[in-house]
Amino acid sequence: DQQVKQNSPSLSVQEGRISILNCDYTNSMFDYFLWYKKYPAEGPTFLISISSIKDKNEDGRFTVFLNKSAKHLSLHIVPSQPGDSAVYFCAARGLGGSNYKLTFGKGTLLTVNP
Amino acid sequence: GAVVSQHPSWVICKSGTSVKIECRSLDFQATTMFWYRQFPKQSLMLMATSNEGSKATYEQGVEKDKFLINHASLTLSTLTVTSAHPEDSSFYICSATDPPARNEQFFGPGTRLTVL
Repeated sequence: DQQVKQNSPSLSVQEGRISILNCDYTNSMFDYFLWYKKYPAEGPTFLISISSIKDKNEDGRFTVFLNKSAKHLSLHIVPSQPGDSAVYFCAARGLGGSNYKLTFGKGTLLTVNP
Repeated sequence: GAVVSQHPSWVICKSGTSVKIECRSLDFQATTMFWYRQFPKQSLMLMATSNEGSKATYEQGVEKDKFLINHASLTLSTLTVTSAHPEDSSFYICSATDPPARNEQFFGPGTRLTVL
């Protein structure tokens, strides 16, 4: 049973427009959410995160929105650039204690066309 | 940002041999390291969680005797794939963190293992 779902395997947008990547989760015990960017044959690179006590976090062109009641988060990239083309993974972390492991979605391939 | 390295970046081995992959945190002390594997067009699947100085915690379905994990220092964890078979061919990625100081995991560049 997938606890973190990225239902769109791919997304294509025009350079300069907004890219919106979506993520849904089922476990209400998740307390921290992260977005990672990954190029082929490389490890994921941390992009932006949000705590479950917030509903928005912004960092430059990247903004993450969290809707706890809907168990939904989204990553907005504006303006989109060709260099943003990559696979984006949504990840969620359970409550602390001794276990800080992340649960990942399957990823969304973003293609930004010049 | 925190830097995590992996070595080797790729390895080809014969079936039945063992392969060791190293994961190092270069500029911070990683009390916890994670090992993932990724199949083509799939998500990262957590294999095990490794805390410095203690035994690794393996996810369900991961054979602990086949995937040996050692986290002997705060900057180094190793994954040894023992008696490798072609089905073990995959992309192995480690990550490191030092909770609760950090919420993020920082990932290494990955190791491509091909077993012939």
